[in-house]
Amino acid sequence: QQQVRQSPQSLTVWEGETAILNCSYEDSTFNYFPWYQQFPGEGPALLISIRSVSDKKEDGRFTIFFNKREKKLSLHITDSQPGDSATYFCAASEGTNSAGNKLTFGIGTRVLVRP
Amino acid sequence: EAAVTQSPRSKVAVTGGKVTLSCHQTNNHDYMYWYRQDTGHGLRLIHYSYVADSTEKGDIPDGYKASRPSQENFSLILELASLSQTAVYFCASRETANERLFFGHGTKLSVL
Repeated sequence: QQQVRQSPQSLTVWEGETAILNCSYEDSTFNYFPWYQQFPGEGPALLISIRSVSDKKEDGRFTIFFNKREKKLSLHITDSQPGDSATYFCAASEGTNSAGNKLTFGIGTRVLVRP
Repeated sequence: EAAVTQSPRSKVAVTGGKVTLSCHQTNNHDYMYWYRQDTGHGLRLIHYSYVADSTEKGDIPDGYKASRPSQENFSLILELASLSQTAVYFCASRETANERLFFGHGTKLSVL
């Protein structure tokens, strides 16, 4: 049973376009939603995160839009660059209040930005 | 910058053999985690620890043991390796009051 779902599994955009990655979750107790970026041969690294009290979080060219009622969020990468080519994981947790603060990850979206 | 190092970077093991994956962090973080990554499954939590000499089961602990002999070191042990345990394994650490995970580079394990 997948508690965090991501779509699409892969996405190709041209340089300068906006890439939109989707994520949805089932557990209403989730309140912390980080996105991790992973390059081939490396471990994931935190890119940007949002808490359920907010509906938008922006960091440079990366923006998270969050809809608590629909249990959906999306990551927008504006002005995509070839260096953004990576796999992006949406994750969720109950925050530091939960035992171990266990993160549940989606299966990831592989993004390719063509020059 | 936080540092989590894993060893070995890759390993080939035989079915039924014992495998130990090691993780060392210099972040002085309390929490350490072991995840496995498979195509189509993303990252799944195997074991975690919040203090030395104590480990907790994650979501998929069957077939794995963990050991936290010190704050800096966290090992994942496969007593009887099986084909289904072929995957990339990631170790991570985090501070107690911060939800950010710092991952190592991963260990690619192939069980033949």
